Amino acid sequence: DGGITQSPKYLFRKEGQNVTLSCEQNLNHDAMYWYRQDPGQGLRLIYYSQIVNDFQKGDIAEGYSVSREKKESFPLTVTSAQKNPTAFYLCASSITNREQFFGPGTRLTVL
Amino acid sequence: AQKVTQAQTEISVVEKEDVTLDCVYETRDTTYYLFWYKQPPSGELVFLIRRNSFDEQNEISGRYSWNFQKSTSSFNFTITASQVVDSAVYFCALSEPNTGTASKLTFGTGTRLQVTL
Repeated sequence: DGGITQSPKYLFRKEGQNVTLSCEQNLNHDAMYWYRQDPGQGLRLIYYSQIVNDFQKGDIAEGYSVSREKKESFPLTVTSAQKNPTAFYLCASSITNREQFFGPGTRLTVL
Repeated sequence: AQKVTQAQTEISVVEKEDVTLDCVYETRDTTYYLFWYKQPPSGELVFLIRRNSFDEQNEISGRYSWNFQKSTSSFNFTITASQVVDSAVYFCALSEPNTGTASKLTFGTGTRLQVTL
C-alpha cells in the first residue's frame, strides 16, 4: 500500500537529549513537510523539502534540524535547543500544487 | 501575511442534524488553493477537498458540501445528516504561492465537532 509512515508513535525524551523522528513515504512525492501541533492550535510548519538535498525553514524551525538524503525519507531531529518540544509531530508529502498527505504522527513528551 | 480563521472552537450536535463549519481566510494572492482536512481521534489528518481560487462552484460529495465565496473570503463546510463517525477536528487550510514543488499551507486552529446519539 502507498502511504506515509512515521515512527515511533510515542517518544519520550529527557531534558538535554536530541531525538530523531522518522518519516518515510512511498508515494513518489517530491515535496515533504514537518508540522508541529499543540493542543487547541492548528498545525505549524517546521521544515519542508522540495527535492533531495534541499530543505527550507518553516515558521518555527528553531531547535529543529532535518535532512533529505533520499526522496522517500525526511527525518526530523528535535535538538536540546528546542525549549518546549512536547507536542504532536506530523509529517506530510505532496506533488506540486496538490494536497498534502499526512502520516499517523509521533507524540513526543519531555520527561 | 496569510491567515485562516475558524471561529467555532467546538460544535456539538445530535446525530442526523446538519452542521456547518465556518472558514474565513485572508490573502493578497489572486491564485491560491483552499483545503479541508479531518483529524479523527487517531491523529492522522485526512484530506477532504481542494479548491482552486478560480473555481467558485459549490461542491457536493455524499453528505459533505462546500460553499466557496470569494467575495466574503469564506470556504464553509456543511455536513448533512451528521453521524457519530463525523466526530473529529476539522481544519481549513490556505496555500501560499507555489515557488517550487512544495506548497506551504497555513492552517486554521480547527473546529472540534462532537456528534452524539
